Amino acid sequence: EDKVVQSPLSLVVHEGDTVTLNCSYEVTNFRSLLWYKQEKKAPTFLFMLTSSGIEKKSGRLSSILDKKELFSILNITATQTGDSAVYLCAALTSGTYKYIFGTGTRLKVLA
Amino acid sequence: ETGVTQSPTHLIKTRGQQVTLRCSSQSGHNTVSWYQQALGQGPQFIFQYYREEENGRGNFPPRFSGLQFPNYSSELNVNALELDDSALYLCASSLGLNSYNEQFFGPGTRLTVL
Repeated sequence: EDKVVQSPLSLVVHEGDTVTLNCSYEVTNFRSLLWYKQEKKAPTFLFMLTSSGIEKKSGRLSSILDKKELFSILNITATQTGDSAVYLCAALTSGTYKYIFGTGTRLKVLA
Repeated sequence: ETGVTQSPTHLIKTRGQQVTLRCSSQSGHNTVSWYQQALGQGPQFIFQYYREEENGRGNFPPRFSGLQFPNYSSELNVNALELDDSALYLCASSLGLNSYNEQFFGPGTRLTVL
């Protein structure tokens, strides 16, 4: 059965800290790994990773995929209170092109 | 905002009733996927529609059904509602079935079944 596992489930840090969120996957017909940020309702897109070893960056956020070890990490440096959210990763499968989501990591950044 | 809209925003129903949720995809997007997100969980894939045809389905019973219209908007219908159907229902639109096209999520419909 396809599955995506995220760790830790929750995390509390102080502003300025650096955090690393983990995502491992076991998915047949894997195509891409995506990261989303969910604050209230709609998840907002952060990154799509398709190739191994190529880091994607957007400001203080970065992510990388390891297709051999079947995992991805999301790094957030110099965290701010506005980074408080649930971070979801999802594996995209080919064929039906469905997204298989993990449970998410709930990040709380304290001022 | 992504341009994907959903209605209604909130809905309260009782067990056994039927519900219809609506989604308007982002302009130009011909693919719509529906997800169920229970509290504290990640979204679970229900099904996907591409050019008015169902393109894939997750592990949901037949009382969950859908429709996509020629303008690519979509409906999710749930019959014989159960308490466990209480969740946030998200739709996401994308352009085609290319795996390199990201999905854009709508704000969701919060369904409560009493």
